[in-house]
Amino acid sequence: DAGVIQSPRHEVTEMGQEVTLRCKPISGHDYLFWYRQTMMRGLELLIYFNNNVPIDDSGMPEDRFSAKMPNASFSTLKIQPSEPRDSAVYFCASSFGRVTEAFFGQGTRLTVV
Amino acid sequence: QKEVEQNSGPLSVPEGAIASLNCTYSDRGSQSFFWYRQYSGKSPELIMFIYSNGDKEDGRFTAQLNKASQYVSLLIRDSQPSDSATYLCAASSAGNMLTFGGGTRLMVKP
Repeated sequence: DAGVIQSPRHEVTEMGQEVTLRCKPISGHDYLFWYRQTMMRGLELLIYFNNNVPIDDSGMPEDRFSAKMPNASFSTLKIQPSEPRDSAVYFCASSFGRVTEAFFGQGTRLTVV
Repeated sequence: QKEVEQNSGPLSVPEGAIASLNCTYSDRGSQSFFWYRQYSGKSPELIMFIYSNGDKEDGRFTAQLNKASQYVSLLIRDSQPSDSATYLCAASSAGNMLTFGGGTRLMVKP
């Protein structure tokens, strides 16, 4: 398996624009997580899914953020409209079963100017 | 207040020494604990996990868990310059939510 695949690897956008980040989890994994990492706040859990169903989105900072998982092999994280303070590295991770290790994708470095 | 706390460092050790990384957690319901290593500009990768009180050894790495004290540690023996990275402690609770600490930056000097 190629591991968790995220796209794009880098994204530079202007304030106010819509940004969509994509993730393909490891085949067979039933949990998918979206994290955001910044120097100031470290690695923060934004939302996670179990069997394509959102379980906890309490980490989503604002209504500008939304996430979907239409099927077991694809998830998106959308920011609309984007703001400079959204600049961070966004990681997607997946795992199989509860209380097990999460495998991380390579991340998307988002810069909002 | 973060639920998983780590000293941000940097922790500097000479090559060949033992590096000791520590982590405390606040949720007594946490069931499993993970140590991830993250090189600059890269994604976190799992080094070890531990579920039970006591020590767990894997090569040069030893994870230690004390649930009564809500304390987890990672020992790296014979530290190498290639071990220089940020080490993230994570705790998993009901629902498989992984909560990460802020990470400790380790520097191993040749």
